Amino acid sequence: NAGVTQTPKFRILKIGQSMTLQCTQDMNHNYMYWYRQDPGMGLKLIYYSVGAGITDKGEVPNGYNVSRSTTEDFPLRLELAAPSQTSVYFCASSVTGYEQYFGPGTRLTVT
Amino acid sequence: AQSVTQLGSHVSVSEGALVLLRCNYSSSVPPYLFWYVQYPNQGLQLLLKYTSAATLVKGINGFEAEFKKSETSFHLTKPSAHMSDAAEYFCAASIQGAQKLVFGQGTRLTINP
Repeated sequence: NAGVTQTPKFRILKIGQSMTLQCTQDMNHNYMYWYRQDPGMGLKLIYYSVGAGITDKGEVPNGYNVSRSTTEDFPLRLELAAPSQTSVYFCASSVTGYEQYFGPGTRLTVT
Repeated sequence: AQSVTQLGSHVSVSEGALVLLRCNYSSSVPPYLFWYVQYPNQGLQLLLKYTSAATLVKGINGFEAEFKKSETSFHLTKPSAHMSDAAEYFCAASIQGAQKLVFGQGTRLTINP
């Protein structure tokens, strides 16, 4: 049981490039979440999903897109990367919607 | 809107001393409350949770937290700090049925030998 896995672990992007952060969970959880973590700011919710085919915006969705075609996968797409998107990104999943299990994170730098 | 405030972005204690990390929430309805721990370069792990049962909640690694409705607080304590407790700690809240968490800004705990 791998839990929540995220790829890649690290990535450096140039301004204007695009990329997809991958997130997979093997616990059959309906709820999945994407957060970004910036120093001293805690975690901010980007997007979340309550089940396959259903997604909704969180607190800071601008510049990101998501899709949820299967229960297991919840990729996060960055279009036209900007330096403000330099951050650590965490994916999480949950059975209940609040007790959440986190992946190890992706550290992204945009230069 | 619901918010979570952690008092002190950095707390430093000596090994063997009491650990006290403070968390207050703002909500007219008592939410579900959580403490998560993040070790360097890792994801967050659930330390303990309050979901409207007992107000004193015990978690892993000797930590506990007490829900106090009158003070809108959920402070995290451990009687005797260990070097391995050095990490960042996050308090989080969820209004029942909201299916989302709101996180505090985190408190970095340093343990001095």
